Amino acid sequence: DAMVIQNPRYQVTQFGKPVTLSCSQTLNHNVMYWYQQKSSQAPKLLFHYYDKDFNNEADTPDNFQSRRPNTSFCFLDIRSPGLGDAAMYLCAIDRLAGDGTDTQYFGPGTRLTVL
Amino acid sequence: DQQVKQNSPSLSVQEGRISILNCDYTNSMFDYFLWYKKYPAEGPTFLISISSIKDKNEDGRFTVFLNKSAKHLSLHIVPSQPGDSAVYFCAAIAGTASKLTFGTGTRLQVTL
Repeated sequence: DAMVIQNPRYQVTQFGKPVTLSCSQTLNHNVMYWYQQKSSQAPKLLFHYYDKDFNNEADTPDNFQSRRPNTSFCFLDIRSPGLGDAAMYLCAIDRLAGDGTDTQYFGPGTRLTVL
Repeated sequence: DQQVKQNSPSLSVQEGRISILNCDYTNSMFDYFLWYKKYPAEGPTFLISISSIKDKNEDGRFTVFLNKSAKHLSLHIVPSQPGDSAVYFCAAIAGTASKLTFGTGTRLQVTL
């Protein structure tokens, strides 16, 4: 069963047109993360929530905003997408691995295309 | 500044042989390391992790080795199977921080 669900899986938007990506989780974990992964690059953390506490990475552009209306849902808003924002956007939650160690569990991602 | 580096963008290995994927890091504050596997159009899937208090961790066909003095870790897959063909990411965490710092990935292709 999917624990982290991202919708839509593929999103096409126009240059400058606001877009919202959605992430939901079925485990009520208190930490949720948004990563951006561009082609052939490492996933890069944009921000994360610990419960309702929002933690922005220092180099995340102001163009990227996030909302977490409740434990289950987290949204990524891109206010004015540029061509350089085309990427895979990954949502993740904290999760304990089978041996009790800490890890992050990722959703399938949303691939954003900017025309 | 890339704090986690995977210098081999791709690797090709025959089925049944050993695959060795390497990762180097520069931040001495990293004390927990993870490997993820990623198929196209999917999110990364956790494979195996290792704490800096250990130098080896095994899980089935997957073994991770950590050399703290060299700031180097490696993932061994034995025997390699065609289903292992994917991009493998090394990631690191410093202390109690939640942030994962990823490498750029190595694309493994296991051939028949």
